[in-house]
Amino acid sequence: GDSVTQMEGPVTLSEEAFLTINCTYTATGYPSLFWYVQYPGEGLQLLLKATKADDKGSNKGFEATYRKETTSFHLEKGSVQVSDSAVYFCALSDRSYQKVTFGTGTKLQVIP
Amino acid sequence: DGGITQSPKYLFRKEGQNVTLSCEQNLNHDAMYWYRQDPGQGLRLIYYSQIVNDFQKGDIAEGYSVSREKKESFPLTVTSAQKNPTAFYLCASSYLRTADGGQPQHFGDGTRLSIL
Repeated sequence: GDSVTQMEGPVTLSEEAFLTINCTYTATGYPSLFWYVQYPGEGLQLLLKATKADDKGSNKGFEATYRKETTSFHLEKGSVQVSDSAVYFCALSDRSYQKVTFGTGTKLQVIP
Repeated sequence: DGGITQSPKYLFRKEGQNVTLSCEQNLNHDAMYWYRQDPGQGLRLIYYSQIVNDFQKGDIAEGYSVSREKKESFPLTVTSAQKNPTAFYLCASSYLRTADGGQPQHFGDGTRLSIL
């Protein structure tokens, strides 16, 4: 079946540092890929998405590129802020059934 | 504003008791989902529904039941058969698949269920 693997957390960075959160996937078809963010005590919010190879999703300074050859969708941000502290989930969507498979999440802590 | 409303925010269950979690959406989405979130395990799919009066089991449906009598509503019942119900429950909705399959899910703010 489909699966998503994310790097273990927590990731602790100083403000203005560069962020990379690795995500790789296994899928039988040609999935759509997503990054969601979850702030404490809340549900998940869509951060960005990409639907085909070499697409780059971007939002709020975060970026991720759909790499079919390496089955990866790594999340990056050039300069993190304290307000970026949250849990980040990589996910893929099966086009046939609209089911979504989530990674286990990576907690990011940004310190001033 | 359109969105998904889950209630209550906190819920406590006694032994042998069934409890129902509410999920309502006004986004006109066709599909709705229930997930369970445990620390360090990400989200696991309990049930999903793509159309009124129809729903499918997800990966961990045992001990849970759902109904979909209206497009806007998808309540989840945690039955006494679910022996470890303590978790954070998230409801989500989306449009049905499109040609590019890129429809994201929209989430409510969750219900935290604990055992008394």
